[in-house]
Amino acid sequence: GQQLNQSPQSMFIQEGEDVSMNCTSSSIFNTWLWYKQDPGEGPVLLIALYKAGELTSNGRLTAQFGITRKDSFLNISASIPSDVGIYFCAGRAAGKLIFGQGTTLQVKP
Amino acid sequence: KAGVTQTPRYLIKTRGQQVTLSCSPISGHRSVSWYQQTPGQGLQFLFEYFSETQRNKGNFPGRFSGRQFSNSRSEMNVSTLELGDSALYLCASTEAGSTDTQYFGPGTRLTVL
Repeated sequence: GQQLNQSPQSMFIQEGEDVSMNCTSSSIFNTWLWYKQDPGEGPVLLIALYKAGELTSNGRLTAQFGITRKDSFLNISASIPSDVGIYFCAGRAAGKLIFGQGTTLQVKP
Repeated sequence: KAGVTQTPRYLIKTRGQQVTLSCSPISGHRSVSWYQQTPGQGLQFLFEYFSETQRNKGNFPGRFSGRQFSNSRSEMNVSTLELGDSALYLCASTEAGSTDTQYFGPGTRLTVL
């Protein structure tokens, strides 16, 4: 079946540093989504990408839909303590949303 | 608008029992999807309902079932619970189309003893 490989699995960074994570797949997706999940809560949508090559920003977050439609990355600039959480990529194809395994981000003040 | 609500938030059951979880989508949203989240398998799609009909289904055994009511509220049922069914069950709603953005609820934490 379709799978997404998300990396890195976890990151421990200093406040103020930039962060980059990505997702790759052997399958083509029509939509890429990036979510953040805090402990005990459901995932919250950060950025949605609908076209190959699309680059979208949401505050300090920037994400891109890969040209091959098989990958996407998320960058967080100037990290702050509240960026802590688990970040998930998700690709949509044939009406189904497939999630990556998540990147756990910890930020040291 | 109120967000997606799920009840109960926490549930403890024993093996062999059955459980029913409830999800109320955002007002006006007609599609509800269910996901199982575990540390080992991550987020996995269970099924999607739209206008009271199952529109998509993931690769889960028949013990997992769901339904949607005319007011778009949805329930999922797991029968003959197994230890491996312990997970966070998440519900997400969208307005209508399969390309619409999904908004997640806080989840129901199910523990099977």
